[in-house]
Amino acid sequence: EAQVTQNPRYLITVTGKKLTVTCSQNMNHEYMSWYRQDPGLGLRQIYYSMNVEVTDKGDVPEGYKVSRKEKRNFPLILESPSPNQTSLYFCASRRVGAGELFFGEGSRLTVL
Amino acid sequence: KQEVTQIPAALSVPEGENLVLNCSFTDSAIYNLQWFRQDPGKGLTSLLLIQSSQREQTSGRLNASLDKSSGRSTLYIAASQPGDSATYLCAVRPNQAGTALIFGKGTTLSVSS
Repeated sequence: EAQVTQNPRYLITVTGKKLTVTCSQNMNHEYMSWYRQDPGLGLRQIYYSMNVEVTDKGDVPEGYKVSRKEKRNFPLILESPSPNQTSLYFCASRRVGAGELFFGEGSRLTVL
Repeated sequence: KQEVTQIPAALSVPEGENLVLNCSFTDSAIYNLQWFRQDPGKGLTSLLLIQSSQREQTSGRLNASLDKSSGRSTLYIAASQPGDSATYLCAVRPNQAGTALIFGKGTTLSVSS
């Protein structure tokens, strides 16, 4: 089954404790992206990657890092989480070109 | 700056009714437009993708239309069912590169049996 898989799905952590949210897709998509969804603000892009070793900032990259060492994986790293990073995070992927964007199930992160 | 608006924000209908969800965007120079469904606390499920050169796309009971010149798209749901209850999001892709999809705030649909 074609899918985008995120882990963990739910996480409660404390300020300053580094964490990584993993994302993996099995559709051989070149393009991958991270979004966060917040009430009243909608979905906003954090980072994206057009292919292996190629990443770029989205609209709200502050406080986040990403890497793309393999085509299928695109982890999101919070080096020093803060409460304002409490949010619902989505990973997404698509073919480069005109393809539709497929989203993962989401990771709900709470930073205390 | 591209802005996407969805009206109404919420809609309640009885089962069996045909309905239309509206999406408008301010800049007609889009690459494509995608409709998603989101259930509470869940991910986004892609419903339909319309390329900028297309006028409409159909999938089962769903039909999406695109009028680039007027900056509008509609999602038509035929014979609505309680299982259609969800938030429907419209998103435009500005160009071919990696720029973000620009999402509307969504229409929350409730279909009662």
